[in-house]
Amino acid sequence: ELKVEQNPLFLSMQEGKNYTIYCNYSTTSDRLYWYRQDPGKSLESLFVLLSNGAVKQEGRLMASLDTKARLSTLHITAAVHDLSATYFCAAGGNYGQNFVFGPGTRLSVLP
Amino acid sequence: EADIYQTPRYLVIGTGKKITLECSQTMGHDKMYWYQQDPGMELHLIHYSYGVNSTEKGDLSSESTVSRIRTEHFPLTLESARPSHTSQYLCASSEEGEPYEQYFGPGTRLTVT
Repeated sequence: ELKVEQNPLFLSMQEGKNYTIYCNYSTTSDRLYWYRQDPGKSLESLFVLLSNGAVKQEGRLMASLDTKARLSTLHITAAVHDLSATYFCAAGGNYGQNFVFGPGTRLSVLP
Repeated sequence: EADIYQTPRYLVIGTGKKITLECSQTMGHDKMYWYQQDPGMELHLIHYSYGVNSTEKGDLSSESTVSRIRTEHFPLTLESARPSHTSQYLCASSEEGEPYEQYFGPGTRLTVT
């Protein structure tokens, strides 16, 4: 059974700082998805990582995937307040699997 | 940009009422999903469908039911709403093949009094 964990669950950081969110999953999955959710809103797709070693960047966010380690990271560079949100990773989607979401990392960027 | 719609966006209703949450997508996706999410918490898959006349229960047991008569439409029904049903309900859809990415609707925030 596929399980997805995220670390940390809560993150408070100052503007301008760098930090990494980790996403581990329990069984084979060759793809990983990152979503952002603002309070009271729906999920917005950030990154789709489809192979081992995949790296994608958008603005101050960079995501990577290591399928051998069953690990994905979401790196935040020089955080700004607008990045405050909850970030979810999800694995699965193929081989007949449904998505399994992690518990989410609630990020708060303080001025 | 994903085109997936949910109505109503907000609903406050009394205990015992029957409600239907609507979800429609214009992308021709075969797969559709319903998730339940309490504020700031995890998403729980409650129903999914892989095509017309196909529906399955998800990981979280739910008293709701779904139907899939048309590809674009995946409504969720609660026959008798209870306060424990208060939550946000998110509908999503995805293509049959690569990259299997799910696109989410704006959600319905349900409050049962």
